[in-house]
Amino acid sequence: DAKTTQPNSMESNEEEPVHLPCNHSTISGTDYIHWYRQLPSQGPEYVIHGLTSNVNNRMASLAIAEDRKSSTLILHRATLRDAAVYYCTPQSNYKLTFGKGTLLTVNP
Amino acid sequence: DAGVIQSPRHEVTEMGQEVTLRCKPISGHDYLFWYRQTMMRGLELLIYFNNNVPIDDSGMPEDRFSAKMPNASFSTLKIQPSEPRDSAVYFCASSFSSSSYEQYFGPGTRLTVT
Repeated sequence: DAKTTQPNSMESNEEEPVHLPCNHSTISGTDYIHWYRQLPSQGPEYVIHGLTSNVNNRMASLAIAEDRKSSTLILHRATLRDAAVYYCTPQSNYKLTFGKGTLLTVNP
Repeated sequence: DAGVIQSPRHEVTEMGQEVTLRCKPISGHDYLFWYRQTMMRGLELLIYFNNNVPIDDSGMPEDRFSAKMPNASFSTLKIQPSEPRDSAVYFCASSFSSSSYEQYFGPGTRLTVT
């Protein structure tokens, strides 16, 4: 299974953009890159996913490096409700492999 | 849709007892996943089903754990006998193969084995 590396924690101010990085240098060519987040005392929640091209949805944007060894989740305007643990996870054969994730703190 | 439903939400039991966790996936979803989350090991995939058939159970820790999916709307995860090290939050998730494979997680069952 592909391994991912993310910062343990990051901090942001409300209304500012946040860039959450992830390294996945061992990802295979057919694995999708998924991002989930987990709010306190809740199950993980799907955020976005992509394969090679950058992706946008109502929650966030995903920028994928050309060599696919890294990606960045972009929250355009952080809110207090975005405070959570963010997981970058490769998807292989329908399986997700979760690492430790990044704890995002949003300051008012 | 009500989302993925899990029961019970909390379970406290004594070592040696049998524990059964239940999951109702989102209607129409054909994949079902069971995960376990602990502080030490994070979020681990235990087993997943496709069209009610177990596909990969390589994450099931040992023979004390078993999972079934008798129909498309119900799955169970059983631990017999339970041990204190099984204490964790157990999540069920479902997904639809014809979409982009995002998984929808339930609220989890917090299991405490004393």
